[in-house]
Parts: sequence; structure tokens; C-alpha cells
Amino acid sequence: RKEVEQDPGPFNVPEGATVAFNCTYSNSASQSFFWYRQDCRKEPKLLMSVYSSGNEDGRFTAQLNRASQYISLLIRDSKLSDSATYLCVVNLSGTYKYIFGTGTRLKVLA
Amino acid sequence: ETGVTQTPRHLVMGMTNKKSLKCEQHLGHNAMYWYKQSAKKPLELMFVYSLEERVENNSVPSRFSPECPNSSHLFLHLHTLQPEDSALYLCASSQWTGNEKLFFGSGTQLSVL
Repeated sequence: RKEVEQDPGPFNVPEGATVAFNCTYSNSASQSFFWYRQDCRKEPKLLMSVYSSGNEDGRFTAQLNRASQYISLLIRDSKLSDSATYLCVVNLSGTYKYIFGTGTRLKVLA
Repeated sequence: ETGVTQTPRHLVMGMTNKKSLKCEQHLGHNAMYWYKQSAKKPLELMFVYSLEERVENNSVPSRFSPECPNSSHLFLHLHTLQPEDSALYLCASSQWTGNEKLFFGSGTQLSVL
């Protein structure tokens, strides 16, 4: 089983749609969680950290379910500029080990 | 000025060449990383330096040789690479406390002919 699993997609959605991605992780010692966005052939950029209580940043909402070991990202009112690959990243407790998923590709269509 | 600066952006080299990738971070971080990203694979950690000491080497072939002269600079020296080494190489930095966000450089798209 992969340490961090994501549906690779692509998710093709129309502008204005709401889309959700899930990510599961296998190591219960995982302590910190992040969503990164990566455009084609560019570096990953931090989108948001994920907190136990859930957190929101504008159109983006992240949730963490420790019991089921998954995190989610919800994007509301999708924009064309949201088209990218979204990487789920898990950090093991107090270490330098960041485990990356393969990413979920999103295409927002006009 | 961006937080993590990585050069060159693109590199094409033959199997007998020697080249180096350079990374500099301006964020005051004390940990720096090299990652490799191949098509349809997750990012793979190659090397980690904390306070200029290497703390992780994920069984990377010796044709990749890292150097960390200080907490702000990191190099990856390349020699006698193979075509399968073609990939996006990413430098990153963070604070060495765990649980901290990683900040990436723009990456080097490497092609080995």
C-alpha cells in the first residue's frame, strides 16, 4: 500500500463547479498535513496546511479525519486558473520526512 | 526576490558531462533538501541537510553528489548520469522542527542524452 494515495484524475469540471479531492495516508504517526499546488513543469507551491479542526481559505476548504486517516480539499466556484495538479503531503511526527502523493490533476473548463 | 532560488532552470547534458545544480534560500531556514520528480511518480527525497550536516541519503547513486557549504546554499553535483536520470530536480528548505512547511525552488528540468 502506498504511504499517501490520491486519485490521479484528471477531474474535468466546468467553471463555477465545486470539486473535492481526497487523500489517504497509511502511517498513523503522521502529524502534519498539507495541500500543495503544482503547475505543469513548475515547482509545488503551498496551498494550505490542514488542521484537525478543518480550515478554510477563501474558496478552499481542507479537512482532516485522523480516525480514518484521510484529508480532503474542497474547491468552490472553480476558476480556470485553478487548473493544476494538487499534491497531498504528509509529514511524520517531528521529522524531515515529507511523504508526497502522486497528485490529482484538475482541469477547469470554460 | 523569491525565497528559494534554484539554477539552472533547464539543463541538457551528455552522459560524460559534469554539471552542478545550485540552490540558495533567503528564508532563514536551517534545513535544505533535494527531491527528484519523475513523470507520474511522487516526489522522491534524495538528500536532506540540517545545519549543514547530511542527515538523509535515500540510497541515491554516487553519480549524484550533494554539497552544503552553509545553511543558505546547497549544490547537487552531477557526473556520468544515465538517461533514466532525466527528471525535474527540486530544491526545498524548511525549519528543522518538523511540522513545518516546505518551500521549493523553481526546479531544474534535466535531460540526459
